[in-house]
Amino acid sequence: DVKVTQSSRYLVKRTGEKVFLECVQDMDHENMFWYRQDPGLGLRLIYFSYDVKMKEKGDIPEGYSVSREKKERFSLILESASTNQTSMYLCASSPELGFGTGPHSNQPQHFGDGTRLSIL
Amino acid sequence: SQQGEEDPQALSIQEGENATMNCSYKTSINNLQWYRQNSGRGLVHLILIRSNEREKHSGRLRVTLDTSKKSSSLLITASRAADTASYFCATTNMLTFGGGTRLMVKP
Repeated sequence: DVKVTQSSRYLVKRTGEKVFLECVQDMDHENMFWYRQDPGLGLRLIYFSYDVKMKEKGDIPEGYSVSREKKERFSLILESASTNQTSMYLCASSPELGFGTGPHSNQPQHFGDGTRLSIL
Repeated sequence: SQQGEEDPQALSIQEGENATMNCSYKTSINNLQWYRQNSGRGLVHLILIRSNEREKHSGRLRVTLDTSKKSSSLLITASRAADTASYFCATTNMLTFGGGTRLMVKP
């Protein structure tokens, strides 16, 4: 089974701190994703990466950056944490973005258990 | 921009009843997927239906897709208390999820 591991289940940080959320997957997937989940807003895509050192902005990239130095690891960085970044953060990976029509397209995303981040 | 929007937002039923959730989306898709999320956990993939399919089954799950209406439905038959969770649809073209349907199955 694919395992996506997020480094912390719960994290409390202070306003203005630089925060790192780490995600590791063990299935050699090309694609990795960071979402935040808020009540009433569903899951919103922050950034995704389709290869090492490659990244693409999602719907809400402001205030965030990402790093993908190794294929298995995708880090989300809050450059200067603010209270409106208090949320549940979910990492996911997949072998295919889903744009193609070949035999390896249409693959599901595999999610970690999430990090509940509180910014005080 | 949310591609998938689930309806209803919340659903409460008795054990043994069927639960139906709907999803609407805005643009053309390659496929549509349904996921489940238990409280405080990540999402788990349930089923994928391709754009050229109209219906798909997996155990007690039945998914339909109507591309002309840009909608899909997820039916859970003979529901159990353990089915209590939030259910999301996602269109992988745009990597977005809706707000989910919160299902509560009462024993």
